[in-house]
Amino acid sequence: SQQGEEDPQALSIQEGENATMNCSYKTSINNLQWYRQNSGRGLVHLILIRSNEREKHSGRLRVTLDTSKKSSSLLITASRAADTASYFCATRTGGYNKLIFGAGTRLAVHP
Amino acid sequence: DAEITQSPRHKITETGRQVTLACHQTWNHNNMFWYRQDLGHGLRLIHYSYGVQDTNKGEVSDGYSVSRSNTEDLPLTLESAASSQTSVYFCASSESRQGLGNEQYFGPGTRLTVT
Repeated sequence: SQQGEEDPQALSIQEGENATMNCSYKTSINNLQWYRQNSGRGLVHLILIRSNEREKHSGRLRVTLDTSKKSSSLLITASRAADTASYFCATRTGGYNKLIFGAGTRLAVHP
Repeated sequence: DAEITQSPRHKITETGRQVTLACHQTWNHNNMFWYRQDLGHGLRLIHYSYGVQDTNKGEVSDGYSVSRSNTEDLPLTLESAASSQTSVYFCASSESRQGLGNEQYFGPGTRLTVT
């Protein structure tokens, strides 16, 4: 069973606009991570937020975490065509090193 | 530079044949993972290993096996390939850092078709 569920499944925006993707999960987590996957490639780690953190920034990325609602959001500001990819959230629970991935959000950024 | 590689990148095989997918990492990571990716399912964990001689079943392990004889390699074997195992397979690795986050590094994937 999947721990993370992304919303929306697909998102289409124009360059320069902001893109927001949401992730909900079911059980308590140790941390939550976001990954990007370009078409035909492996996943690349973007950002990690721990369960005791509420917000984290990395360049044009902003991640929030609300453990009371078991949800996270990824905001990409001033999007570029190169941001076109699928984005996945993944959760780590307890002391285990494995991650559970959601089904992903497909983002298309049009020039 | 350290990396994680997979081979072959594409494979076509017949139902019932045994297939082995290779994964090799030079990060010196203790943790290694195999996932399959299918439309609508995201990534699902097949098997994982936390070190040499350690292997564990994941969410969708039936019909698959792994062995870990050294730090660098975690080959995935399909004992008797079935059409339902047509998928894209990803290998990943991560450090073991107790109590801390541990991002995973992914290989480029192997596209397997079972006819």
